[in-house]
Amino acid sequence: NAGVTQTPKFQVLKTGQSMTLQCAQDMNHNSMYWYRQDPGMGLRLIYYSASEGTTDKGEVPNGYNVSRLNKREFSLRLESAAPSQTSVYFCASRQLGNTEAFFGQGTRLTVV
Amino acid sequence: KNEVEQSPQNLTAQEGEFITINCSYSVGISALHWLQQHPGGGIVSLFMLSSGKKKHGRLIATINIQEKHSSLHITASHPRDSAVYICAVLAGNKLTFGGGTRVLVKP
Repeated sequence: NAGVTQTPKFQVLKTGQSMTLQCAQDMNHNSMYWYRQDPGMGLRLIYYSASEGTTDKGEVPNGYNVSRLNKREFSLRLESAAPSQTSVYFCASRQLGNTEAFFGQGTRLTVV
Repeated sequence: KNEVEQSPQNLTAQEGEFITINCSYSVGISALHWLQQHPGGGIVSLFMLSSGKKKHGRLIATINIQEKHSSLHITASHPRDSAVYICAVLAGNKLTFGGGTRVLVKP
C-alpha cells in the first residue's frame, strides 16, 4: 500500500501564479485533510472533507480552494499564490471514528 | 490561548536519559494522538489513545481525561529518537495540533 501520496514534493511559484497540490490515498478512508505547517505555528487545518462529496473550511482557508474529486483524491488549489502561502503542506486521511491519521510526505512550497 | 499546548518546546537529553513531553488541551476530545516528525519532514503516528496508558517499545503514552492532559515518555533515549514530537487532539472529525516539542538526544 502506498498510503497517502502527495505531489509535488517541492514547488516554487511566482506571486500571482496558480497551482494545484494533489493528494491521493488508497486506504478507503472517508475523511481527508489539508494542513499547512509553519515554524512556531504547528500544523493548521486549511480544509477538510469528512466524506466524499463534502468539504468544510478549517482554521486558515483564505486563499485556498479544495476539491474532493472522489473517495481517493482531495486536491488543494492556490488560485493566486502569495508569499504568505510559503509553507509546508501536508495531506492526511483517516477513517471515521477514533482512528489514527495517516500523513503524506509533505509539499514544500515557496512563493517568491 | 491555543487549544493544544505542549511543553517543553525544546528538549536536549543525553543518550540513556528518561524524557517526558507534556500536552494539555482545553476542549472535549474523543482521542489524542502522539506523532513523530523526523528531519526531512515525514509525520508518523506513534499512538492514539482515549484513556489510560499505551506502550510501544521504549515509548509510553498516558492520558488523564479529567485533567485534559497527556504525557509521552521515552525511556533509555537514543540519538535516533531525535525528532519533533507532536500532540494532536480529535474532536468531532477535526484534528487540532500542538506546536510540537523538538527533542535532541546527544550520544
